[in-house]
Amino acid sequence: GQQVMQIPQYQHVQEGEDFTTYCNSSTTLSNIQWYKQRPGGHPVFLIQLVKSGEVKKQKRLTFQFGEAKKNSSLHITATQTTDVGTYFCAGPAGNKLTFGGGTRVLVKP
Amino acid sequence: DADVTQTPRNRITKTGKRIMLECSQTKGHDRMYWYRQDPGLGLRLIYYSFDVKDINKGEISDGYSVSRQAQAKFSLSLESAIPNQTALYFCATGRRQGVSYNEQFFGPGTRLTVL
Repeated sequence: GQQVMQIPQYQHVQEGEDFTTYCNSSTTLSNIQWYKQRPGGHPVFLIQLVKSGEVKKQKRLTFQFGEAKKNSSLHITATQTTDVGTYFCAGPAGNKLTFGGGTRVLVKP
Repeated sequence: DADVTQTPRNRITKTGKRIMLECSQTKGHDRMYWYRQDPGLGLRLIYYSFDVKDINKGEISDGYSVSRQAQAKFSLSLESAIPNQTALYFCATGRRQGVSYNEQFFGPGTRLTVL
């Protein structure tokens, strides 16, 4: 079945620095979604990408969907303590979503 | 989201006990899902339902059962709990629009510990 992998599993970032987390699917995706889960919280939808090569920005977050629609990335600039949490990507598989294992982001002040 | 509620929020039980986790939503969504979260494994789908008469197994349905009592209610049961079912359980809702799948809305989660 479809597999969605995320790297890295953990990301330690100095406050103010940039970083990127990656999402790779074993199959071509019709779209990809990103969610954020704060510590002790529940996943919250961030964005959905649909088109090949699509790039969307939300303030300091930049999301990209690969040309082949099998991978995606999330780039955060000038990391802040509010960025702490786990970021999940998810791709549709039939009538459901397959989630990646997540990237847990830890910010050092 | 406050529109998706789960009860209980925390539960400690013993091996062999029957446990029911409940989920209610006021979002009017037709689709409901139960996920399990374990550290490093992301969210794994247990069961999902697209309406009251539709129940589907997810990737890890063994040891679990569900009931969709109404459009707004979807409960998850562990018939005979075992320690490796200790996890964080999330209920989620969603709806389909056109050919794409809209986002899912998650409840606050139930932390279950099986001793």
